[in-house]
Amino acid sequence: QVQLVQSGAEVKKPGSSVKVSCTASGGTFNTHAILWVRQAPGKGLEWMGGIIPMFHTTTYAQNFQARVTITADESTTTVYMALTNLGSDDSGTYYCSSHVYGSRKSEDWGQGTRITVAS
Amino acid sequence: ETVLTQSPDTLSLSPGETATLSCRASQSLRDSLVWYQQKPGQAPRLLIYDASNRATGVPARFSGSGSGTDFTLTISSLEPEDFAIYYCQQRPNWPPGTFGQGTKVEIK
Repeated sequence: QVQLVQSGAEVKKPGSSVKVSCTASGGTFNTHAILWVRQAPGKGLEWMGGIIPMFHTTTYAQNFQARVTITADESTTTVYMALTNLGSDDSGTYYCSSHVYGSRKSEDWGQGTRITVAS
Repeated sequence: ETVLTQSPDTLSLSPGETATLSCRASQSLRDSLVWYQQKPGQAPRLLIYDASNRATGVPARFSGSGSGTDFTLTISSLEPEDFAIYYCQQRPNWPPGTFGQGTKVEIK
């Protein structure tokens, strides 16, 4: 089991960028895939993208491809999700999750990071 | 892009009853589908993977079935803690895909 701790809540201006971190402890970071999911207030789940550190592979959902970058720092077992050109509809809670690559029988989630975009 | 449509949007049931939730895909997923449960203020919890396998620690009253484009999550004998929102997601090995819009199971 991997424990995931995300960075704290942020308030951002429209047009700015945000970078959210997700730090893993326990387990073997390099064998895991880390995914990012967004949830606007009162709305459903939106898959954003993910990374497999051991393969240096990233993938992004079509809706976010132009604005999101996911990176991993294996030395600190931390994954980052950066989102640019923020608008008010980017407000919400951002979650990271982790599972052993190739296995779907269990996964762990971070506590979520609330991002508010307001002028 | 494959679209997942869940039905119904809301299911009103009493504890002890059986909940049947549907997830329909716009193209075949084979068995690459997962189900999540989410309660207010909490992260989602994985219930079912590969359409019909219970995730680690999930009670036996949760079961999944289906393949191709039609999938079902069944919750037998609802417990008070089962009232929540349920999402399906397409999950081939890699990359993952879109979520359905969710079904809320509420107390009647």
